[in-house]
Amino acid sequence: QSVLTQLPSVSGAPGQRVTISCTGSSSNIGAGNDVHWYQQLPGTVPKLLIYGNSNRPSGVPDRFSGSKSGTSASLAITGLQAEDEADYYCQSYDGSHWVFGGGTKLTVL
Amino acid sequence: EVQLVESGGGLVQPGGSLRLSCAASRFTFSGYEMNWVRQAPGKGLEWVSYISSSGSSIYYADSVRGRFTISRDNAKNSLYLQLNSLRAEDTAVYYCATFYGSGNAFDYWGQGTLVTVSS
Repeated sequence: QSVLTQLPSVSGAPGQRVTISCTGSSSNIGAGNDVHWYQQLPGTVPKLLIYGNSNRPSGVPDRFSGSKSGTSASLAITGLQAEDEADYYCQSYDGSHWVFGGGTKLTVL
Repeated sequence: EVQLVESGGGLVQPGGSLRLSCAASRFTFSGYEMNWVRQAPGKGLEWVSYISSSGSSIYYADSVRGRFTISRDNAKNSLYLQLNSLRAEDTAVYYCATFYGSGNAFDYWGQGTLVTVSS
């Protein structure tokens, strides 16, 4: 069982907006620690998608955005595209441990 | 761009040992913190271990503490993970990953090396 909680799956049609949530606790997200998001396309290595709650590394489209509030965080994807179909993981810090969510599989219908 | 290349994975019997290596290049390895992250087949990501740039600070996930040992050789631009007393549940792809410039986010990842624990 993961320290950060994510719904196992989410889906959306091309062009739509979807959000992926990540719920933590007072020892990790709620303690003020940053949340980061990773995208893992099928059969590939995880890739940093959002860092520091809402920052995009160079090369990540602005269709991807992140936010954080209290003990939770969210990843939003607008203008959904077929190539966005992947697993998405949130990650934070929890007292000398780095913790991940269980992952959310995004299906583009 | 940062390059990380893992090696050393393979098939090992329960209770056995293995040593993973991660060769770093195209950045100043000695200046950066490093980690091992693993992913069991069909499962999510799990942080395994952290080592500071000098090697003076080390942390482990509860699931591996006492069995795994992380180390680094800055002169050789290499990161290591010694895996002892292996269990079936340690079967996973092991990635080395660095904190490069995005706080405590895993900026760069290697391609991974598969460890299979089975009799």
